Amino acid sequence: DSGVTQTPKHLITATGQRVTLRCSPRSGDLSVYWYQQSLDQGLQFLIQYYNGEERAKGNILERFSAQQFPDLHSELNLSSLELGDSALYFCASSVWSGGAMETQYFGPGTRLLVL
Amino acid sequence: AQSVAQPEDQVNVAEGNPLTVKCTYSVSGNPYLFWYVQYPNRGLQFLLKYITGDNLVKGSYGFEAEFNKSQTSFHLKKPSALVSDSALYFCAVRDEMDSNYQLIWGAGTKLIIKP
Repeated sequence: DSGVTQTPKHLITATGQRVTLRCSPRSGDLSVYWYQQSLDQGLQFLIQYYNGEERAKGNILERFSAQQFPDLHSELNLSSLELGDSALYFCASSVWSGGAMETQYFGPGTRLLVL
Repeated sequence: AQSVAQPEDQVNVAEGNPLTVKCTYSVSGNPYLFWYVQYPNRGLQFLLKYITGDNLVKGSYGFEAEFNKSQTSFHLKKPSALVSDSALYFCAVRDEMDSNYQLIWGAGTKLIIKP
């Protein structure tokens, strides 16, 4: 158990809908990262927050947004969902802002199925 | 640009035999290298990392990895494979010259250990 928690574990929804995924980092970690893992595209970095501020952006669609709250938990909002958004969404956390030597610790993931 | 290659989509090994999962990288500066394992329906678990120093890094579950600067490789190894090692393995790299210290991920290698 990494100490990173994610809810819900599974989510089934319909195209066009909006969902919110939640992540709580390890105690003491200030950075949260979001990743998407689909069968054909491997692990894709979406976005990073550090102590409430956006730190880095990856391949995140405009329909997706995230935020990190004062208690350091983070939410990933996915809107206007399409079939292709079906994937595993992982959250990871690290102590600082993503320094060269930092290790990211991953949560168990949320499996999203868009029908 | 930074990149990571895991040249084998799948590696098959008989239980008890040594295993190697290959990873090569390309960065501008010194690399910081990581291995993660993903068991079915689970999140990624950190195995080991190379920062500096000894080229042979020991990690969790009896795994080790050898850093080879001249061949720009960081292959994951285990002397005697277990059926329970069957999983998806990811290599990742950070470039010390990247001011954002982004973690670049390989596509993953599926390791199958046959009894």
